[in-house]
Amino acid sequence: ETGVTQTPRHLVMGMTNKKSLKCEQHLGHNAMYWYKQSAKKPLELMFVYSLEERVENNSVPSRFSPECPNSSHLFLHLHTLQPEDSALYLCASSQDHAGGPQHFGDGTRLSIL
Amino acid sequence: QKEVEQNSGPLSVPEGAIASLNCTYSDRVSQSFFWYRQYSGKSPELIMSIYSNGDKEDGRFTAQLNKASQYVSLLIRDSQPSDSATYLCAARRGSGNTGKLIFGQGTTLQVKP
Repeated sequence: ETGVTQTPRHLVMGMTNKKSLKCEQHLGHNAMYWYKQSAKKPLELMFVYSLEERVENNSVPSRFSPECPNSSHLFLHLHTLQPEDSALYLCASSQDHAGGPQHFGDGTRLSIL
Repeated sequence: QKEVEQNSGPLSVPEGAIASLNCTYSDRVSQSFFWYRQYSGKSPELIMSIYSNGDKEDGRFTAQLNKASQYVSLLIRDSQPSDSATYLCAARRGSGNTGKLIFGQGTTLQVKP
């Protein structure tokens, strides 16, 4: 139990579907992150939220849309994804967004048909 | 040049040996460094953090930092088969309150019984 919970654990969707990934942290942290992890590549930071405000958007395509309704919850809304978007999507949280240690959820394995 | 560079491996060591994992970084102002362990199909788990030059020991793990050489390493003594995983090095880019973590691609460690 890492204190960061992600659902669903696995998701298979077609390119025209719309789905959402959910992340919830129980650590009292103020910053939350979305990362993409593809095979043989480093973790790619997608979005950073601090106290529900987006502080970083790393040139992510608009087919990925984050939402942070409060400091404990983070969503990633997906629509018209491409096959190259198939990857493990990891949520993380940290005390603040100053670059301290981050605690990761178990991820959502996404497959685009 | 990658900001954080690791040899992807696999690094294979016999049980009971010392495993040495290396990482170099390009941003000279990086202040904080972290080692994460990631088992196959699982999320990254923080195992060590180091902020100042020298060695930091925690059980069988020792992190070493040399800022002049921009080099971080992780030593695992008395390696066990359960240590077989991918080890991710991360550096906090920048300074002050705006740093973010940059991850290497990870080194796969195999400990053979």
